[in-house]
Amino acid sequence: AQSVTQLGSHVSVSEGALVLLRCNYSSSVPPYLFWYVQYPNQGLQLLLKYTSAATLVKGINGFEAEFKKSETSFHLTKPSAHMSDAAEYFCAVSAPNTGNQFYFGTGTSLTVIP
Amino acid sequence: DSGVTQTPKHLITATGQRVTLRCSPRSGDLSVYWYQQSLDQGLQFLIQYYNGEERAKGNILERFSAQQFPDLHSELNLSSLELGDSALYFCASSVDPGQGGAFFGQGTRLTVV
Repeated sequence: AQSVTQLGSHVSVSEGALVLLRCNYSSSVPPYLFWYVQYPNQGLQLLLKYTSAATLVKGINGFEAEFKKSETSFHLTKPSAHMSDAAEYFCAVSAPNTGNQFYFGTGTSLTVIP
Repeated sequence: DSGVTQTPKHLITATGQRVTLRCSPRSGDLSVYWYQQSLDQGLQFLIQYYNGEERAKGNILERFSAQQFPDLHSELNLSSLELGDSALYFCASSVDPGQGGAFFGQGTRLTVV
């Protein structure tokens, strides 16, 4: 079975500081991994995805994530936080042997302090 | 714009009633997923359809049902509504296999009064 764990339901950073949102996954087969962002009263928007190509994945809005198999992690980072980054972030995993269901983490709410 | 269309955007109804939420997936996507998002439960997977067939069930109540039609649009039917059913209901779609990710609609906000 697949699952993801997001450490920290709330993260606060200062504007211009590094953003680090943690995600650990569990999967019995090589997974596909995703990060989504949700702004208030909106749907989830795909930020980036890992599908077994490069382990460092670049996404939209300056975000990137690194797949580390040895640590079963897929942490999301951004070098410099912007006020517009304040949102809810979800990590998700899917795998071919589960009919490509998407398993989502519980989400991390990012606050950016001016 | 994700390409996934959900209607209506907002719905207010009374307890005990029945409602139908509609979803049109992205062009070419065969899989449709339904999720419920509430403050206390987070994002809950309800059900998945692939090319008209039910593929997976999550935490979907017996009062809820869904189907995917030949033109691939999907409907989620919620009946005997309770106050606790108030939530955001999202539809998502993906190609199969899902390595490209799922694309979400803007959601239907259901309020049961």
